[in-house]
Amino acid sequence: GAVVSQHPSRVICKSGTSVKIECRSLDFQATTMFWYRQFPKQSLMLMATSNEGSKATYEQGVEKDKFLINHASLTLSTLTVTSAHPEDSSFYICSARVAGGPQYFGPGTRLTVL
Amino acid sequence: KQEVTQIPAALSVPEGENLVLNCSFTDSAIYNLQWFRQDPGKGLTSLLLIQSSQREQTSGRLNASLDKSSGRSTLYIAASQPGDSATYLCAVYGETSGSRLTFGEGTQLTVNP
Repeated sequence: GAVVSQHPSRVICKSGTSVKIECRSLDFQATTMFWYRQFPKQSLMLMATSNEGSKATYEQGVEKDKFLINHASLTLSTLTVTSAHPEDSSFYICSARVAGGPQYFGPGTRLTVL
Repeated sequence: KQEVTQIPAALSVPEGENLVLNCSFTDSAIYNLQWFRQDPGKGLTSLLLIQSSQREQTSGRLNASLDKSSGRSTLYIAASQPGDSATYLCAVYGETSGSRLTFGEGTQLTVNP
């Protein structure tokens, strides 16, 4: 099946710094990419949806200036957590989809903000 | 607003047992339904995708059914193995949710050797 990669898989940073997470579809071109956040023992919470070349659509309650999403190409989307704080510590998962097809998920990135 | 519920929240069975995981959704206007598996600290692995026009899909020991009119899906796992231990998530993609998948809370499965 289709493969989605994320980098890094794990990151630890100091409070106040910014962290960038990359999401790539390796063997297909994704018309839409999604960013999710997952807290321990909870299901995934959609943060934003992005289409290549256009601005991301953020879910209610998600600060777009805090979580910057760039979808520069059909195979790459990035999520930047700006001025990270301990409450931003979480598991971030991206997914990618071709129109009309299933969503394929990346392996996730564990962010820990000290 | 679409809501997805999974029952049970947790399940523990001995190895070799056949089992059924349940998923229900409130809005039957869906395009498709997916079952995923998530291992601890990992991303999601897509197991089966059922289009709204289909009744079931099979892959190996897994069989997923869909009854769109009643808003239900089941995931049947035959001859369970310890390696099947994981959280299983059901998600629907439909008219009322735009381009988003709506997830259930998951069923945490433990298969004991």
